[in-house]
Amino acid sequence: NAGVMQNPRHLVRRRGQEARLRCSPMKGHSHVYWYRQLPEEGLKFMVYLQKENIIDESGMPKERFSAEFPKEGPSILRIQQVVRGDSAAYFCASSPEDRDNQPQHFGDGTRLSIL
Amino acid sequence: AQKITQTQPGMFVQEKEAVTLDCTYDTSDPSYGLFWYKQPSSGEMIFLIYQGSYDQQNATEGRYSLNFQKARKSANLVISASQLGDSAMYFCAMRVGRGYQKVTFGTGTKLQVIP
Repeated sequence: NAGVMQNPRHLVRRRGQEARLRCSPMKGHSHVYWYRQLPEEGLKFMVYLQKENIIDESGMPKERFSAEFPKEGPSILRIQQVVRGDSAAYFCASSPEDRDNQPQHFGDGTRLSIL
Repeated sequence: AQKITQTQPGMFVQEKEAVTLDCTYDTSDPSYGLFWYKQPSSGEMIFLIYQGSYDQQNATEGRYSLNFQKARKSANLVISASQLGDSAMYFCAMRVGRGYQKVTFGTGTKLQVIP
């Protein structure tokens, strides 16, 4: 499968635990984007990363949330001390470069449920 | 700031008929791109079609076409010969400006194709 790979597909956490969501971009893609989708809503931008750099994190909450895209390995979205309001689908997308007409290709998402 | 509006929360269409999903946008930047994505009940996000603000012709991809009316700031998606598999959420999205700009999504339209 040459597409964007996200895992796990479903993740259940209790309040106060940590959630780690992984995203491997498509082969040849060096730009990664994370989005959050609340039930019955559209996608909201969270963060944009290139290898080892955070380019834009304007959509990410200042506390408890962090993201990285190391030189080797997948991009990680980390949520510390999760709360019920963090329950959502988290999507990762990638693109080969940041040209205007490049669509972002999405993974299947991680459904995070907080008990 | 840019804004994407999808005013149809839900739509029904008879199988084999054509359907138009509305999308209006707001930006003062002359350079922008418009995207449509499909999200079936299984949850993945599938890129359908792209229209650039400087493109002279309306974009088409198979049964999908984009009715781009620049003066009205609308970018409606037309699906011809609807199939049962077209039942899904459809999201309109926009990115503005040259170089990196984050993508803004509309709230989506739920399309149901009736046999």
